Amino acid sequence: GAGVSQSPRYKVTKRGQDVALRCDPISGHVSLYWYRQALGQGPEFLTYFNYEAQQDKSGLPNDRFSAERPEGSISTLTIQRTEQRDSAMYRCASSLVGRDTGELFFGEGSRLTVL
Amino acid sequence: GQQLNQSPQSMFIQEGEDVSMNCTSSSIFNTWLWYKQDPGEGPVLLIALYKAGELTSNGRLTAQFGITRKDSFLNISASIPSDVGIYFCAGRWLPDKLIFGTGTRLQVFP
Repeated sequence: GAGVSQSPRYKVTKRGQDVALRCDPISGHVSLYWYRQALGQGPEFLTYFNYEAQQDKSGLPNDRFSAERPEGSISTLTIQRTEQRDSAMYRCASSLVGRDTGELFFGEGSRLTVL
Repeated sequence: GQQLNQSPQSMFIQEGEDVSMNCTSSSIFNTWLWYKQDPGEGPVLLIALYKAGELTSNGRLTAQFGITRKDSFLNISASIPSDVGIYFCAGRWLPDKLIFGTGTRLQVFP
């Protein structure tokens, strides 16, 4: 696609429910990143993939969070048993090759609200 | 989560003034990047720095990669209203892992 596409743009859920956030990176981009951004804060690293391989998941807050990218393109970030503290903007970014320029192209984000 | 420290947190300036902001870290980085984020949008890359001591310009923007590799600054000359936004530094730490700063919010008054 022309840009990084994320869905849903907005998600409101009740505490305890599972949510799945989807990211469709720019076509041909090898690396895909997930960040979480609280209001007024910088993006906080969660995890990233090169192709289908998850390279680093050290930023995932706990084991309720998981991510996959089974075919090396679209990725899903899943949060199980959501809690109010999970409320934030979740941003996906992709880059052609992670090492080279650092130019990450960000999507518009998925805003999650947990009631 | 890990974040870099940016200062100042916010700036209120008049159109035409120059702006300077910086970013510091306790860790060494191989690459420093500066991003700008407009309301409701994702961050957009402004400048990338790859070598210690490197000074790079992009129009009215100038950024430097500190000699110690633990800091960087961004200057904006002759600010204009569209410079309004939040500016984030980012450091590439481990291979491919990008860590963002806490942000500097810039407001420009006509």
